[in-house]
Amino acid sequence: DQQVKQNSPSLSVQEGRISILNCDYTNSMFDYFLWYKKYPAEGPTFLISISSIKDKNEDGRFTVFLNKSAKHLSLHIVPSQPGDSAVYFCAARVGGSTLGRLYFGRGTQLTVWP
Amino acid sequence: GAVVSQHPSWVICKSGTSVKIECRSLDFQATTMFWYRQFPKQSLMLMATSNEGSKATYEQGVEKDKFLINHASLTLSTLTVTSAHPEDSSFYICSARDRGAWNQPQHFGDGTRLSIL
Repeated sequence: DQQVKQNSPSLSVQEGRISILNCDYTNSMFDYFLWYKKYPAEGPTFLISISSIKDKNEDGRFTVFLNKSAKHLSLHIVPSQPGDSAVYFCAARVGGSTLGRLYFGRGTQLTVWP
Repeated sequence: GAVVSQHPSWVICKSGTSVKIECRSLDFQATTMFWYRQFPKQSLMLMATSNEGSKATYEQGVEKDKFLINHASLTLSTLTVTSAHPEDSSFYICSARDRGAWNQPQHFGDGTRLSIL
């Protein structure tokens, strides 16, 4: 049962434009959400996170929006750069979890073309 | 920032061989480490949660006798794939969380590509 879903396996965006990656979740107990970026043959790299008490978190070109009522979050990258081309994973953690186990989506392959 | 080192990065071996993968937290202590497996174009599948000084917790469907996990110190966890077969070929990734940073993200190693001939 996939508790975190990324329904778009791929996204192609022109350099300089905005990239919007979407993620939906089903577990209302999730209270912390993260985005990871992954290049081939490498481990995921942490990008940005958001707590459920917020609806927006911004870090440079990256902004994550959280809509708790819709159980939806999105990652905005603006402006997009060719170096942003990678697989992006959305992940979530259950509140109060002492182990901090993460639940991952299947990932979205972002391609930024010049 | 926090660094997790995973070794080896690539292993090719014959069927029936046992393979050990190491995961080290280099600049922090990790009470808990996680082992994932990723198939091509698939998500990261959690295999087991490795707890320092105690038995690992395995996810449903993961054979504990097949995938032996040892977390003997706060900076090292190992995954041993015993009597590996071609169907065990995959990309294995570990992650760790700083014991002193509860609300911080997990940090991942660079993964191990395991190919069983």
